[in-house]
Amino acid sequence: DIQMTQSPSSLSASVGDRVTITCRSSHSISTHLNWYQQKPGKAPKLLIYAASSFRGGVPSRFSATASGTDFTLTISSLQPEDFATYYCQQTYSSPRAFGQGTKLEIK
Amino acid sequence: QVQLQQWGAGLLKPSETLSLTCAVYGGSFSGFYWTWVRQPPGKGLEWIGEINDSGSTNYNPSLKSRVAMSVDPSKNQFSLNLNSVTAADTAVYYCARLDVESNGAHLDYWGQGTLVTVSS
Repeated sequence: DIQMTQSPSSLSASVGDRVTITCRSSHSISTHLNWYQQKPGKAPKLLIYAASSFRGGVPSRFSATASGTDFTLTISSLQPEDFATYYCQQTYSSPRAFGQGTKLEIK
Repeated sequence: QVQLQQWGAGLLKPSETLSLTCAVYGGSFSGFYWTWVRQPPGKGLEWIGEINDSGSTNYNPSLKSRVAMSVDPSKNQFSLNLNSVTAADTAVYYCARLDVESNGAHLDYWGQGTLVTVSS
């Protein structure tokens, strides 16, 4: 099975900060990597699929890159609505594992 | 606009069977994998498994011995059964649609979630 390791597990930042979240897969998954945002009490929401393709409506302050088995999600200038938990997920093979999540909190 | 609406029993006793159903509105039922994901209170997301409209399934090996998924294309519905539940199965359960494209697959629509509590 492919394991997804996400870091950091939590992050404290201020509005306007630039933050980066990293996800590493235990095996090659090509670009079969998605990023989801989840707010308390809500279902996860797809932000980015295929490592760097944006779902419609995602603000341009979000960006994503892939390099081998390393994937990053960057928010260039944090806005109040960005404080949430972010998950990566590989869909290269079953079981389609999620990373353990990164909780982004207001400093 | 695609919507997923899910329902099922929210309180179970240990050893009982969890049963949830998810209905799909506003879009095609064929051509997708229909997925179940769960989230224990305060914890991360766990992929349970998926089923397509033909009934082909993939399950998480950690749950495979207790999980069964089914599909009813005539009603645009799919279901999850998880038997012999314990307190460790207490979680919010989500249904979701997996859209498979040439460059990958992603969960693009989600149900509202159902909290299932296992307690004696």
